[in-house]
This record gives sequence, C-alpha cells and structure tokens, in this order.
Amino acid sequence: AQSVAQPEDQVNVAEGNPLTVKCTYSVSGNPYLFWYVQYPNRGLQFLLKYITGDNLVKGSYGFEAEFNKSQTSFHLKKPSALVSDSALYFCAITGTASKLTFGTGTRLQVTL
Amino acid sequence: SQTIHQWPATLVQPVGSPLSLECTVEGTSNPNLYWYRQAAGRGLQLLFYSVGIGQISSEVPQNLSASRPQDRQFILSSKKLLLSDSGFYLCAWSVGLAGTYEQYFGPGTRLTVT
Repeated sequence: AQSVAQPEDQVNVAEGNPLTVKCTYSVSGNPYLFWYVQYPNRGLQFLLKYITGDNLVKGSYGFEAEFNKSQTSFHLKKPSALVSDSALYFCAITGTASKLTFGTGTRLQVTL
Repeated sequence: SQTIHQWPATLVQPVGSPLSLECTVEGTSNPNLYWYRQAAGRGLQLLFYSVGIGQISSEVPQNLSASRPQDRQFILSSKKLLLSDSGFYLCAWSVGLAGTYEQYFGPGTRLTVT
C-alpha cells in the first residue's frame, strides 16, 4: 500500500517570507512523488514531480521540493511567498501501483 | 497544447434523477482518462480510469458508472442520484498509465443533489 501524509491542515506565512508545506510518504519500492495546487473552485494544477535523480526538484511559479529518502519526506518550498500563492496544496504518490494517491491537502494562507 | 474541458460547471439535481457529466481532451491522442470526486474541498477519491475506448476500470463500487465512447471523451453517469453523490467532480488525463506520469485536471463540475 502507498500513502502520503500532510501533517498541517493550514500553513500561515507573511508575504516575502519563505514557506514550507510538509509531506511524508510510505510506499513499497521507489516512490514517484508529486505536488499539485488547487485554487478555489478550480481543478488541480501540476507543480512538480520527483522520479529519480537530483533530490531538489524545481517546478512552476518558483516552487521547489526536496526529496529525502531517509526521512521519507517530500516537502514543498518557496523562498519568498506571494499573496497569490494562497491555495490548497496536495502531495501525491505513485509507487508500484500506477494510480495517484493524494494527501488530504494543506491550505496555504499568505498575508500582507 | 493540450486542453481538457468539463461540463457543466455546476449542476443541481434532485435525488433520484439521472446524471451525465462530460469530459473531453484536445491536443493529444489515446490519453489515459480519470474521474475523481472531491468531497468537502479536500481529499480526492479516484472513481474510474480508462486506458482506451470502451475500457473502464472502477475503483470504488458505487452509484456511478463511466463510459468512453470516443478516444478523447469520458462520461460519468448515474441512473438515480443519491444525496451522497454531491461533490466536486474532476476529470484528468495523462500521457501514460505508469506512475511516472503527471495528471492534468479539468476545471471540475460541482454537483449538488437536493
């Protein structure tokens, strides 16, 4: 079985400050990890993925994520948050199964 | 470039009425197609996926069915809606079924069953 956990229901950060949205995973075999963002009443947008190679993955809108195999984590980061980054963020995983398993989501609130 | 469409955007239906939600993809051939339901604005549940015309896999037994009459068309249906069918329905596509491929989502349909 495969699963991801997003331990924070909501993350609050001031604009201009760095942000981190946490994700840990559990899977048999090699993990394929993804981050998606969802704005209100919209579909999910793909941000980035880790398949293999460099542990630091860069994605859309200045986001990046760091794969840490020993800690089974794939945290999403951005050096300087924008108010427009406020949204719902989902971590997802596939492993030996080809289907995506999503976390419960973390709401990011960026304030002025 | 590829585009995915869903309609209608919102739908209010009475209990016991039928349902038909449509999803179409442009700009790609033989996509893998998926239907998800998102309840309470949070977790996504995979309902169906399809690797080709007429090929449907169901993930969760329920009141819904899916069909793929054309390569880039995916339809979600129900003969009689239940209150519990309310939610935000998302269609997605991917190039391949293997776990390395990201999925691209449509704008969603918000269904309210009254």
